[in-house]
Amino acid sequence: DSGVTQTPKHLITATGQRVTLRCSPRSGDLSVYWYQQSLDQGLQFLIQYYNGEERAKGNILERFSAQQFPDLHSELNLSSLELGDSALYFCASSVGAGTEYEQYFGPGTRLTVT
Amino acid sequence: DAKTTQPTSMDCAEGRAANLPCNHSTISGNEYVYWYRQIHSQGPQYIIHGLKNNETNEMASLIITEDRKSSTLILPHATLRDTAVYYCIVRVGIIIQGAQKLVFGQGTRLTINP
Repeated sequence: DSGVTQTPKHLITATGQRVTLRCSPRSGDLSVYWYQQSLDQGLQFLIQYYNGEERAKGNILERFSAQQFPDLHSELNLSSLELGDSALYFCASSVGAGTEYEQYFGPGTRLTVT
Repeated sequence: DAKTTQPTSMDCAEGRAANLPCNHSTISGNEYVYWYRQIHSQGPQYIIHGLKNNETNEMASLIITEDRKSSTLILPHATLRDTAVYYCIVRVGIIIQGAQKLVFGQGTRLTINP
């Protein structure tokens, strides 16, 4: 158990809908990351937040957005869902924001878009 | 970004040492080598990291060649629970902004056989 929690574990929704994935970092960690893992793309970095501030961005679609709240939990919002958005979404956290800090991953949310 | 090359798959007998190689010939002097693993569809798990010297922790040992162009992750006494995809990653960091992301390749699928 990494100490990172994600809810829900599974989510099934229809195309065109909007969903919110939630992540609580390990106690004491200030940085949160989101990754997407699909069968054809592998594990892809989406976005990083540090203490509420966006720090790095990957190939995150415009239909996706994220934020980190004052209590340090983070939410990933996915809208206008398409079949191709079906994937595992992982959240990770680290103490600091820089390269010297290892990231610890949560168990993931499996999103299925039908 | 320094790229890594790993074998697609490997097998190892239970109880034996599993040696997973990784080539990173374009690594820069201040870039670390990190290893993560992913068991089935669980969140990736941090294993170990190093810069120049060999490193050991309770999970594994990391041997980095003197020229730093390659490394080997060693699981000293592999068990069935070590069956997973192992990722060798050269850390990508944006030092000035204090940001980071993990760039995952395809990894090595390690199967431990009874």
